[in-house]
Amino acid sequence: GNSVTQMEGPVTLSEEAFLTINCTYTATGYPSLFWYVQYPGEGLQLLLKATKADDKGSNKGFEATYRKETTSFHLEKGSVQVSDSAVYFCALSEVQGAQKLVFGQGTRLTINP
Amino acid sequence: NAGVMQNPRHLVRRRGQEARLRCSPMKGHSHVYWYRQLPEEGLKFMVYLQKENIIDESGMPKERFSAEFPKEGPSILRIQQVVRGDSAAYFCATHPPGVYNEQFFGPGTRLTVL
Repeated sequence: GNSVTQMEGPVTLSEEAFLTINCTYTATGYPSLFWYVQYPGEGLQLLLKATKADDKGSNKGFEATYRKETTSFHLEKGSVQVSDSAVYFCALSEVQGAQKLVFGQGTRLTINP
Repeated sequence: NAGVMQNPRHLVRRRGQEARLRCSPMKGHSHVYWYRQLPEEGLKFMVYLQKENIIDESGMPKERFSAEFPKEGPSILRIQQVVRGDSAAYFCATHPPGVYNEQFFGPGTRLTVL
């Protein structure tokens, strides 16, 4: 079946550091790929998405590129801020049927000033 | 996730009681997904509903759990005879008609079973 594997956390960085959170997937067909962010006590917010190979999603300084050859969708940001502290989830949308989201286990990111 | 409403935000139940979780979609959204998030884990799909129809319930536990989305009113996830293992955050998500690859999440209901 479809699955998403994320880099294990927690990840702790200093402000202005470079961020990479790895995400790889296994899927039938060509799913859409997403990064969601969850702030403490809140629901998930869509951070960015890509719907086909080589697409780059970007938002708020975060980027991720849909790499079909390596089945990856790594999240990057050049200079993180304290306000980026949250849990980040990589997900795919199944191609068939209900197109439900399949999530990775999440990566908790803490940015220290 | 603006516009997707869930209530209650926090719910405490004793073992054996019933829990009812409500989700009101964004205006114009007629499909609802329910997901469960166990502590320190990712979200797992439970059920997908359209108004008055269950489209996919492949993630629902076979017993004690049910979901509905009536013609009028919110979608309801119902858990009968709760057990401690049901303690989790339950999120609903909706999408606009025909736009399947962008789901908008509610703030979740955090269920604690004592």
